[in-house]
Amino acid sequence: DTGVSQDPRHKITKRGQNVTFRCDPISEHNRLYWYRQTLGQGPEFLTYFQNEAQLEKSRLLSDRFSAERPKGSFSTLEIQRTEQGDSAMYLCASSLGGRNTEAFFGQGTRLTVV
Amino acid sequence: EDQVTQSPEALRLQEGESSSLNCSYTVSGLRGLFWYRQDPGKGPEFLFTLYSAGEEKEKERLKATLTKKESFLHITAPKPEDSATYLCAVTTSGTYKYIFGTGTRLKVLA
Repeated sequence: DTGVSQDPRHKITKRGQNVTFRCDPISEHNRLYWYRQTLGQGPEFLTYFQNEAQLEKSRLLSDRFSAERPKGSFSTLEIQRTEQGDSAMYLCASSLGGRNTEAFFGQGTRLTVV
Repeated sequence: EDQVTQSPEALRLQEGESSSLNCSYTVSGLRGLFWYRQDPGKGPEFLFTLYSAGEEKEKERLKATLTKKESFLHITAPKPEDSATYLCAVTTSGTYKYIFGTGTRLKVLA
């Protein structure tokens, strides 16, 4: 296992379409995070899971965004009815939990909504 | 509201010219402070974790320090390959989400 894996790396979609991204965390990590990053900004928190439980969601997160982590393994992030403002890099990270709380990030999925 | 502020926004250094990046934080209860390096088009790469004031961590030309209000990332004799955006993040009591600053874009000129 070489790290956090995200798929696809790039996605171009038309406004109004639905998109789904996948994240495979480091195998022994029980926490999984989704972040969004736009140019010149730091990563913005979207949501995180402890095993299969979604423990926190950003209050700013639109109802068009939903995330799942069935069986506490991989996770998916779906965006419904995409808008141009959704164009960003979507980052997934995972961590062991407990005191060793450093998170390790994947390479991200670059979404462009046209 | 918990907040992380990084300065400067951008920094240009000559190769070998040492400098420091700042990360100041205002949080309800610090659990941990993290430094990451991010290259263009890639995900952040973990560098350091600091948990308590007075703690220091070192790795090659980088040294991170922590006080009760801020952290510094010292870069000694930087090389062009150190050019990247350096991100600071915190976790606070009651949550395990990471709150990021906007980063410092570092350019080291040969």
